[in-house]
Amino acid sequence: EVHLVESGGGLVQPGRSLRLSCVASGFTFDDYAMHWVRQVPGKGLEWVSGISWNSARIGYADSVKGRFTISRDNAKNSLHLQMNSLGPDDMALYYCARGGYCSGNSCFGPLDYWGQGALVIVSS
Amino acid sequence: DIQLTQSPSFLSAAVGDRVTITCRASQGISSFLAWYQQKPGKAPNVLIYTASNLQSGVPSRFSGSGSGTEFTLTISSLQPEDFATYYCQHLNTYSGTFGGGTKVEIK
Repeated sequence: EVHLVESGGGLVQPGRSLRLSCVASGFTFDDYAMHWVRQVPGKGLEWVSGISWNSARIGYADSVKGRFTISRDNAKNSLHLQMNSLGPDDMALYYCARGGYCSGNSCFGPLDYWGQGALVIVSS
Repeated sequence: DIQLTQSPSFLSAAVGDRVTITCRASQGISSFLAWYQQKPGKAPNVLIYTASNLQSGVPSRFSGSGSGTEFTLTISSLQPEDFATYYCQHLNTYSGTFGGGTKVEIK
């Protein structure tokens, strides 16, 4: 059974940093792209960042580009999101999600498994 | 960047109704579109991928169509458990954009 478990959320002051992690189990981690999606409670979904199986292809939403860094450790079945210069607009529930199956540098498929989310609160 | 516009943003319908939600892309995205259902307090659940393929385990009353810039999600006969918020998403190898969502409520 596929499981994705996020950690690292919490309260952080504006301008500070936080690192989210997601540990995966139940599937061959390095066969799939992985993504981060966030959601302000009561609002819509916002795609944040995605990474291919071998980290060769990485993308970010414009809202986080230059501040957030996605990475993965296939040996440890883990996905990370380093978030710097956090502001009020970054306050949200952050989901880790499994993306498409990868072949070469292309990965196709929907976000078919999601974690329970890690809550990030930005406040002084 | 590709933008996705969903309509309507809110929909009131009765059990048994046929419901259609539209998603328009700001530029052609072939069939790289998925649909998700989200219920309060839960993570989203994929319904449709590559525009028209039903995800395993999803009831057949859900269907998707379209390509290029216009896509639709149809629920052929709305059931009580279908009252939720629906999102479209364009997704490729390492990026993705969501539509604004459509909340389906009970009439």
